[in-house]
Amino acid sequence: KAGVTQTPRYLIKTRGQQVTLSCSPISGHRSVSWYQQTPGQGLQFLFEYFSETQRNKGNFPGRFSGRQFSNSRSEMNVSTLELGDSALYLCASSPGGTSSYEQYFGPGTRLTVT
Amino acid sequence: KNEVEQSPQNLTAQEGEFITINCSYSVGISALHWLQQHPGGGIVSLFMLSSGKKKHGRLIATINIQEKHSSLHITASHPRDSAVYICAAPWGGSQGNLIFGKGTKLSVKP
Repeated sequence: KAGVTQTPRYLIKTRGQQVTLSCSPISGHRSVSWYQQTPGQGLQFLFEYFSETQRNKGNFPGRFSGRQFSNSRSEMNVSTLELGDSALYLCASSPGGTSSYEQYFGPGTRLTVT
Repeated sequence: KNEVEQSPQNLTAQEGEFITINCSYSVGISALHWLQQHPGGGIVSLFMLSSGKKKHGRLIATINIQEKHSSLHITASHPRDSAVYICAAPWGGSQGNLIFGKGTKLSVKP
């Protein structure tokens, strides 16, 4: 099976712009979660989608949003970019449901905001 | 406060040494993840465990649910084990809502 893919891998944006990142999960996985990693805050949970529904959201401002499509692919959007949004954005997929499942991570999208 | 704490923060070892990384958490959890992150950013899931012990090659993970503590051991360490090791716990009944430790940066010298 192909692993989790994320596009683009690298992105440079200017303050005030918006950005959309994409995540394609492992085939058959219905849950996709997004995380932000910065040197200062480490890894932080952004949101989780399961069967096109947002199941949980982390403590991030409303500028951060996401969605999941019927094929389980997910996108996250950040509007009005700030310098502090520069980070590695990782998504992970799992089969989903209520049991404990291993998370399979994508390679990440490194976003630089100038 | 819901926390996942790791120790040590940094660890330098000589090739061949036995390594232990510890993780403690303050809330009841259903499982704990051990992750490995190499320079460049990619994260690999090493273990997910909810009780007892798991072994994969030279890596061993243990968890004591009652004591809210888990350990990751590396036997016969090798320079290719150099990476950041992160423990993470799912929170709020959601498997993707992970609370992460700050990571342990391991450097194994030849």
